[in-house]
Amino acid sequence: SQKIEQNSEALNIQEGKTATLTCNYTNYSPAYLQWYRQDPGRGPVFLLLIRENEKEKRKERLKVTFDTTLKQSLFHITASQPADSATYLCALVGDNAGNMLTFGGGTRLMVKP
Amino acid sequence: EPEVTQTPSHQVTQMGQEVILRCVPISNHLYFYWYRQILGQKVEFLVSFYNNEISEKSEIFDDQFSVERPDGSNFTLKIRSTKLEDSAMYFCASSEDTDTQYFGPGTRLTVL
Repeated sequence: SQKIEQNSEALNIQEGKTATLTCNYTNYSPAYLQWYRQDPGRGPVFLLLIRENEKEKRKERLKVTFDTTLKQSLFHITASQPADSATYLCALVGDNAGNMLTFGGGTRLMVKP
Repeated sequence: EPEVTQTPSHQVTQMGQEVILRCVPISNHLYFYWYRQILGQKVEFLVSFYNNEISEKSEIFDDQFSVERPDGSNFTLKIRSTKLEDSAMYFCASSEDTDTQYFGPGTRLTVL
């Protein structure tokens, strides 16, 4: 069966460090992958989209990599700040599933000052 | 910056009652979606809508659910006869093309 796995345990890091979050998938051929931020009681906020033929995408302090051989995406936040504390969701669109997003369970990031 | 808006922010209803959740997608977007998130669980796809018809739906989206775009700006989700297990956050999303989806703030539905 198809699975999207994110580290369900919270990630605690010190302010200024780089946070690295992982998204692994199985039995899936995603056309592209998206990362969203979700704060408690709020809707997901789009951050970055990376396509299957792209290795890396950057936006300000954010970087996403996509390895279709390893079936993994890594999401990096450099120079992390307490305001980056949130749950980060990866979401995939399959190459034969229209544009329905399938979400992982999210990883909660806590950045301590 | 344009945003997806949703009303109400919180809806409380009795089991068996009908509810309508409302969304105003971003104005130039063509694709509309509903997702839900039960407390502590993943965001789950319900339905997508394009060109005035449903383009995809999940197993969750059974005969109790329907969607409508009654005018040029609103997009609604109706649940005909609510069950306790329908209690969740319901998110509307819209996209200009088949890529990035922008989500609204959600409606918290509580079924008693």
